[in-house]
Amino acid sequence: AQSVTQLDSQVPVFEEAPVELRCNYSSSVSVYLFWYVQYPNQGLQLLLKYLSGSTLVESINGFEAEFNKSQTSFHLRKPSVHISDTAEYFCAALLGGTSYGKLTFGQGTILTVHP
Amino acid sequence: GAGVSQSPRYKVAKRGQDVALRCDPISGHVSLFWYQQALGQGPEFLTYFQNEAQLDKSGLPSDRFFAERPEGSVSTLKIQRTQQEDSAVYLCASSLRGPPYEQYFGPGTRLTVT
Repeated sequence: AQSVTQLDSQVPVFEEAPVELRCNYSSSVSVYLFWYVQYPNQGLQLLLKYLSGSTLVESINGFEAEFNKSQTSFHLRKPSVHISDTAEYFCAALLGGTSYGKLTFGQGTILTVHP
Repeated sequence: GAGVSQSPRYKVAKRGQDVALRCDPISGHVSLFWYQQALGQGPEFLTYFQNEAQLDKSGLPSDRFFAERPEGSVSTLKIQRTQQEDSAVYLCASSLRGPPYEQYFGPGTRLTVT
């Protein structure tokens, strides 16, 4: 079955340190990839997306992710995190050329930024 | 503009009761999705509507789950004879069209079955 795997359930880091949240997907056909962020008691918000073109995509708040087709990965990175980045992050994919947008999500990674 | 809204935000039901969860998508959005998010898990697809047509209900876990969107806007997810395993957050999302248009998520309804 097609799937999305987030390798770390929790990632604690100190403020201003770099962070990488890992995501791998399984699909042998075209794929769109997304990272969503969920703050406590709020809905999911789109952080960034890869549809086509440049394999490196960036968000407005300093996160970036790189689509790596050979490794079937879409890891999320930030060179220097802030306390306000504390949240749960979900990797998601439109797998196998789904024509209408059914998302497959990973299990989520809780990022906790400590002062 | 207004985002996706869901009501109620929290629902406690006794086992065996029926519940109805409402989703108000963004005005003009053609596509509407329901997802179920169990504690500590990522959301899982339940069903999809394009306007009023339910094009995919493959994720509904049992025939106790039923969804409708009769006029192509507001949608209701109904769960009959609730069971404890139905306890989860139910998320609704809408998008302007199909992919790659962004799905906008509501805050969810947290259902607790006691």
